[in-house]
Amino acid sequence: AQKVTQAQTEISVVEKEDVTLDCVYETRDTTYYLFWYKQPPSGELVFLIRRNSFDEQNEISGRYSWNFQKSTSSFNFTITASQVVDSAVYFCALSGTGGSYIPTFGRGTSLIVHP
Amino acid sequence: DAGVTQSPTHLIKTRGQQVTLRCSPKSGHDTVSWYQQALGQGPQFIFQYYEEEERQRGNFPDRFSGHQFPNYSSELNVNALLLGDSALYLCASSQTRTGELFFGEGSRLTVL
Repeated sequence: AQKVTQAQTEISVVEKEDVTLDCVYETRDTTYYLFWYKQPPSGELVFLIRRNSFDEQNEISGRYSWNFQKSTSSFNFTITASQVVDSAVYFCALSGTGGSYIPTFGRGTSLIVHP
Repeated sequence: DAGVTQSPTHLIKTRGQQVTLRCSPKSGHDTVSWYQQALGQGPQFIFQYYEEEERQRGNFPDRFSGHQFPNYSSELNVNALLLGDSALYLCASSQTRTGELFFGEGSRLTVL
């Protein structure tokens, strides 16, 4: 069975602070995908990144960066110089790469960025 | 290019009633997945439709059923509504069963 744990229920920061959202996963699959999605108040889940378990390189996209550590089963997400528009619920998810491709989501972390 | 569209956006039903939610996938997508998201929780997979057939199903009772039409649009039906069915129902489409998921804004169902 697959499981995703996002221990931080809510994080509150002031604009321009850096913030890291934690994600720990469990799976018996040898290959898998990891995801991060953003859910603004409108409700739509917005895809941010997909990482294959073979690729442990960290990735940076603008103010966003992701740290994948297979040894600790973690896939953490950092927002640098946070902005009010970053306020949303962020979900980490995990899926297999074959027939069980359907992502399993964590419970989400609500990020509130104050001006 | 329109993304995933869902209707209705909000609806209120009473216990025991039936509800139908609709989803139009993103252009070029042939696979539709449905998720239930209770307040404060992550989305839970209900089922996935591909080539007009239910290909995978999550841990949901038979009261939850669906359909996919030849134009790839889809419906989610829930019978004998319970208070616990109150949630945001999200539709996601993808190009093939293993493609990146694109989500709609959801249909928020309240059961009284």
